[in-house]
Amino acid sequence: DARVTQTPRHKVTEMGQEVTMRCQPILGHNTVFWYRQTMMQGLELLAYFRNRAPLDDSGMPKDRFSAEMPDATLATLKIQPSEPRDSAVYFCASGLTQETQYFGPGTRLLVL
Amino acid sequence: RKEVEQDPGPFNVPEGATVAFNCTYSNSASQSFFWYRQDCRKEPKLLMSVYSSGNEDGRFTAQLNRASQYISLLIRDSKLSDSATYLCVVNEGNTGKLIFGQGTTLQVKP
Repeated sequence: DARVTQTPRHKVTEMGQEVTMRCQPILGHNTVFWYRQTMMQGLELLAYFRNRAPLDDSGMPKDRFSAEMPDATLATLKIQPSEPRDSAVYFCASGLTQETQYFGPGTRLLVL
Repeated sequence: RKEVEQDPGPFNVPEGATVAFNCTYSNSASQSFFWYRQDCRKEPKLLMSVYSSGNEDGRFTAQLNRASQYISLLIRDSKLSDSATYLCVVNEGNTGKLIFGQGTTLQVKP
């Protein structure tokens, strides 16, 4: 049963530290999404890639967030420097289209 | 106004009850509609797509009203295992991006 995997599952860090989250999409899926979920804002799209090319990162704070796909099996989301307001669950999802998305288990981030 | 609006609930219902959730969307250019389910501390999972003619999957029925920009999900004969948050999802129209509602929480009690 193919699944999206994400690491780490949990991360606690101090304000100002760099945070890197990793995602392995389902093999063969060419579209990868990064979402952030908080109680206040719900699920928000941060960025997405198709065939490893970034198509839209308009949902991402550009000054501190960056997303990349170094290869077809790895997507990364980096926050530098992290702030307490970045505390959230970060989900990666993959699919063959924008409309068919399979979510990973998420990374729970707490920035103190 | 949010692009996709849902009543957050919670809806507390007894086992066996029928419960309905509604959702409204603001972008008249939206073409695709879905319901996702999210269990506590888990990832969202696709429950069902919503088609113009309405569609049914076992105890679940989804309906779409394009004129009113309104989507519904009906759950019949509720089970304890139906307890979850139900997310209404709409594509953005021009870009095709999916926009998620805040979710409606359902608690089914014995």
